[in-house]
Amino acid sequence: NAGVTQTPKFQVLKTGQSMTLQCAQDMNHNSMYWYRQDPGMGLRLIYYSASEGTTDKGEVPNGYNVSRLNKREFSLRLESAAPSQTSVYFCASSDFRRTGELFFGEGSRLTVL
Amino acid sequence: AQSVAQPEDQVNVAEGNPLTVKCTYSVSGNPYLFWYVQYPNRGLQFLLKYITGDNLVKGSYGFEAEFNKSQTSFHLKKPSALVSDSALYFCAVRDGVISSGSARQLTFGSGTQLTVLP
Repeated sequence: NAGVTQTPKFQVLKTGQSMTLQCAQDMNHNSMYWYRQDPGMGLRLIYYSASEGTTDKGEVPNGYNVSRLNKREFSLRLESAAPSQTSVYFCASSDFRRTGELFFGEGSRLTVL
Repeated sequence: AQSVAQPEDQVNVAEGNPLTVKCTYSVSGNPYLFWYVQYPNRGLQFLLKYITGDNLVKGSYGFEAEFNKSQTSFHLKKPSALVSDSALYFCAVRDGVISSGSARQLTFGSGTQLTVLP
């Protein structure tokens, strides 16, 4: 089982460039999430999607946009990258109608110069 | 608002000794509590959860956690540590509402780096 798949795994951008992180899950989960992980700060929620067709801001949404393309796919876009967005990004999914544990992708390491 | 505290950034333990990674939480109503483990350059993996019932929860790789409502704690434990247990451990909490209207957000602690010394 693939679970949650993220692409790309690594990316280097220059300040001001744009890019999209892709995420797909094959577990038929309703909810999908984007987190960023920074040293000493744990995981912080950027955006989430409770179900297909809905998206909501999390704790740190500024500078990001998301699209829930269908039930399987949830993308994260940086329109104008900044050095403060250098981080490791994780996509996750869950079935929130049950106990809601998250299933994570392997992460995307983004460096903004 | 819900929150999680992992008071120790780093825990060192000798192989074969028992280990404890501490977690305290704050949430409205009944909590759903989780432990995740992250190995270097990997995503987080689910270890165990407390939803209801027995306060001692058993999970993957011989780990267990004890829910203590009066102390609002959910400490992760293992009777005998292995070098391969060395990793970053995250505690997480959400409220226990099952809702069809919105996703229930999980709040993570800042993580505890566990190092098991041979």
